[in-house]
Amino acid sequence: DGGITQSPKYLFRKEGQNVTLSCEQNLNHDAMYWYRQDPGQGLRLIYYSQIVNDFQKGDIAEGYSVSREKKESFPLTVTSAQKNPTAFYLCASSKTRVARSTDTQYFGPGTRLTVL
Amino acid sequence: GESVGLHLPTLSVQEGDNSIINCAYSNSASDYFIWYKQESGKGPQFIIDIRSNMDKRQGQRVTVLLNKTVKHLSLQIAATQPGDSAVYFCAENNYGQNFVFGPGTRLSVLP
Repeated sequence: DGGITQSPKYLFRKEGQNVTLSCEQNLNHDAMYWYRQDPGQGLRLIYYSQIVNDFQKGDIAEGYSVSREKKESFPLTVTSAQKNPTAFYLCASSKTRVARSTDTQYFGPGTRLTVL
Repeated sequence: GESVGLHLPTLSVQEGDNSIINCAYSNSASDYFIWYKQESGKGPQFIIDIRSNMDKRQGQRVTVLLNKTVKHLSLQIAATQPGDSAVYFCAENNYGQNFVFGPGTRLSVLP
């Protein structure tokens, strides 16, 4: 059963803590993405990775970090430096991400992070 | 980019009627567009896509229309069903750059 999985579904964090959100895909996609979704707004790109061991900042990378040690996995850490981390976080993947060629992005089920 | 707001526009349709959801995109150079469906608390689900060399594309019960002159994209859903109730949003892409996502429209299907 191919797809993108995210865990946990719900995550609660105390102020000052770092938390890591998991994203795994078995679609053999090269590119992976992290987005943040806030009520009434379009998705905003946090980080993306085109290949293993490489990643790039998106529009709102401050307070977040990522790693891409394996093709299948792209975990996101929300650090204590992120001032307003409560949001719905979505991971996505696409077959490739190269200039002048666009592949469809497919999304995982999301993780809702709440800061207490 | 698109303006943002706390409240999504809502479209209410009677079950069995056709629905038309609109999206005004921002970049005249965008060449690829996707419509997604997102149910409450879930991740977005791909519905249909279209490239800028086309005006229309049909899927199962859905049709996407692209008007490049006025930078407008629409999604038509035929014979709307209760299971179609969700937020629908469009995404645009400019030749492999990052996608830009609209805030979405909430579709409510009335019995």
